[in-house]
Amino acid sequence: QKEVEQNSGPLSVPEGAIASLNCTYSDRGSQSFFWYRQYSGKSPELIMSIYSNGDKEDGRFTAQLNKASQYVSLLIRDSQPSDSATYLCAVNPRYTGANSKLTFGKGITLSVRP
Amino acid sequence: GAGVSQSPSNKVTEKGKDVELRCDPISGHTALYWYRQSLGQGLEFLIYFQGNSAPDKSGLPSDRFSAERTGGSVSTLTIQRTQQEDSAVYLCASSLPGLTEFFGPGTRLTVL
Repeated sequence: QKEVEQNSGPLSVPEGAIASLNCTYSDRGSQSFFWYRQYSGKSPELIMSIYSNGDKEDGRFTAQLNKASQYVSLLIRDSQPSDSATYLCAVNPRYTGANSKLTFGKGITLSVRP
Repeated sequence: GAGVSQSPSNKVTEKGKDVELRCDPISGHTALYWYRQSLGQGLEFLIYFQGNSAPDKSGLPSDRFSAERTGGSVSTLTIQRTQQEDSAVYLCASSLPGLTEFFGPGTRLTVL
């Protein structure tokens, strides 16, 4: 059973702080990794994808991947109240190709306090 | 279309009735997925289509649930003899195989 685990929440940080969201996965052969954001009452939207070890930065967001430790994280710098949402980690066992699908974690809810 | 569309956006039905939920994926996306999300819960995978075939239907919770996809495009999720525990938001997503999944707005199903 391929599993994606996200550390228990909810997570609350003050405005301007760094929020760190963590995710571990069980399938060592996993190749592609995604972070989705889901606002209350809305559907998930992709915010970051990462495929190779190291950091990937996009504005205030940084995704970090460590395949040896089977660990992927999302850092949000200068957190804003508008970042308050549930963040879903998703993992795909193959880089591409047929018959592959994402496995989602249960998500962690972030609250940014003004 | 520009994004994944789903209809209806809301559906209220009586226990025991059948319902059909529709998903129209992004043009050219060969992979299509159905998920269910209960209030405050994570995504529950239901079924995955690659073209018109379903390599993985392991998440369908019972034989009351079925789905089909025709022409490699539109998909319909059918729930027969609905029960109150079927109440949830049903989300559809589409992608190129193995790549980013893009979600539709969902159908909120309420079974009275």
